Amino acid sequence: DAKTTQPPSMDCAEGRAANLPCNHSTISGNEYVYWYRQIHSQGPQYIIHGLKNNETNEMASLIITEDRKSSTLILPHATLRDTAVYYCIVGGYQKVTFGTGTKLQVIP
Amino acid sequence: KAGVTQTPRYLIKTRGQQVTLSCSPISGHRSVSWYQQTPGQGLQFLFEYFSETQRNKGNFPGRFSGRQFSNSRSEMNVSTLELGDSALYLCASSLDGGGISNQPQHFGDGTRLSIL
Repeated sequence: DAKTTQPPSMDCAEGRAANLPCNHSTISGNEYVYWYRQIHSQGPQYIIHGLKNNETNEMASLIITEDRKSSTLILPHATLRDTAVYYCIVGGYQKVTFGTGTKLQVIP
Repeated sequence: KAGVTQTPRYLIKTRGQQVTLSCSPISGHRSVSWYQQTPGQGLQFLFEYFSETQRNKGNFPGRFSGRQFSNSRSEMNVSTLELGDSALYLCASSLDGGGISNQPQHFGDGTRLSIL
């Protein structure tokens, strides 16, 4: 499985867009990019995933670069409830490897 | 639709004992994966079951085992418990199998196991 690299922490002002980057330079052609988040004491929550094209759902947008070596998760209007650890993972039909994630702190 | 249910939520055991954790996946999901989460090692993949067969396995000793039943419910067992087995054990289910594919995994809230 491809490994991912994320900044360990980020701050974002409430109401502003939160842009969380992820590098996955060893991603292979059939591997999807997935984003999850984990709020303390809960299981990870699925946010969004994509293969090549940019994706948007009710929670977030996912921007994948053309060479697929990096991606950005965008939370358009961050709220205090978005404070969590965000995990970017890549995988296909393989076992999943979670990295250390980015701890996003939304500041009032 | 009900989410992934894990029981029990909390468990305290002593060294040398064994423990069985249970996971009920989302209805219709056939793949169940188990993870161990500790502050030092993060989220680590244990194994994945699909149609009652273990299809993928992480790098854990044989003391960690699991099984899946015909209704897709799964159990994991840890024998001869060690202090280092203290962790949050998470179960995730998905429609498809093979670890992670085009179907996202949905996680339960885990069983927090403490070893004394």
